[in-house]
Amino acid sequence: GAGVSQSPSNKVTEKGKDVELRCDPISGHTALYWYRQSLGQGLEFLIYFQGNSAPDKSGLPSDRFSAERTGGSVSTLTIQRTQQEDSAVYLCASSPGDGANVLTFGAGSRLTVL
Amino acid sequence: AQSVTQLGSHVSVSEGALVLLRCNYSSSVPPYLFWYVQYPNQGLQLLLKYTSAATLVKGINGFEAEFKKSETSFHLTKPSAHMSDAAEYFCAVTCRDYKLSFGAGTTVTVRA
Repeated sequence: GAGVSQSPSNKVTEKGKDVELRCDPISGHTALYWYRQSLGQGLEFLIYFQGNSAPDKSGLPSDRFSAERTGGSVSTLTIQRTQQEDSAVYLCASSPGDGANVLTFGAGSRLTVL
Repeated sequence: AQSVTQLGSHVSVSEGALVLLRCNYSSSVPPYLFWYVQYPNQGLQLLLKYTSAATLVKGINGFEAEFKKSETSFHLTKPSAHMSDAAEYFCAVTCRDYKLSFGAGTTVTVRA
């Protein structure tokens, strides 16, 4: 696609429910990132995918968080048993994977846990 | 490991005045540095990047930044602010690997 597409744009859920956030990167981009943006804080790295390599999951805050990338394209970030502190904007970005590190971001998925 | 510190979470400038956003970095190797801008309800957009070529980097919308190794700084400037510059700005660093570390962001308000 022309840009990075994320869905849903807004999600309100109850504490304890599971949520899935989807990211459709730019076609041909081999690298895909998930970041979390909380109010008043910078972007927190969550996970990185590059081609067929094992993902870097070092930023996932707990085992309730997981992500997968199917076919080297679309990625899904799953949060199980959501907590109020999970409320944030979840940003997906992709890059060509050419080492220049220029990321193109989606508009984000705003998650509110009641 | 790398990190950035953005000095000032909020900056207010008059239209036509200089915009100066401060960023200091920490990196164990020569870094790549970036400035991104985020408009309300949008994703981050690349303003400019430093990748060890010219130390003065020009970006979009009249912004520029200067890499100063001695000061470990990469401050962002624009000579004359426009109302459309109101946004949140993020500085980011990478040690030339894939992981970007972002600052906490600086929100710019432009007064008419």
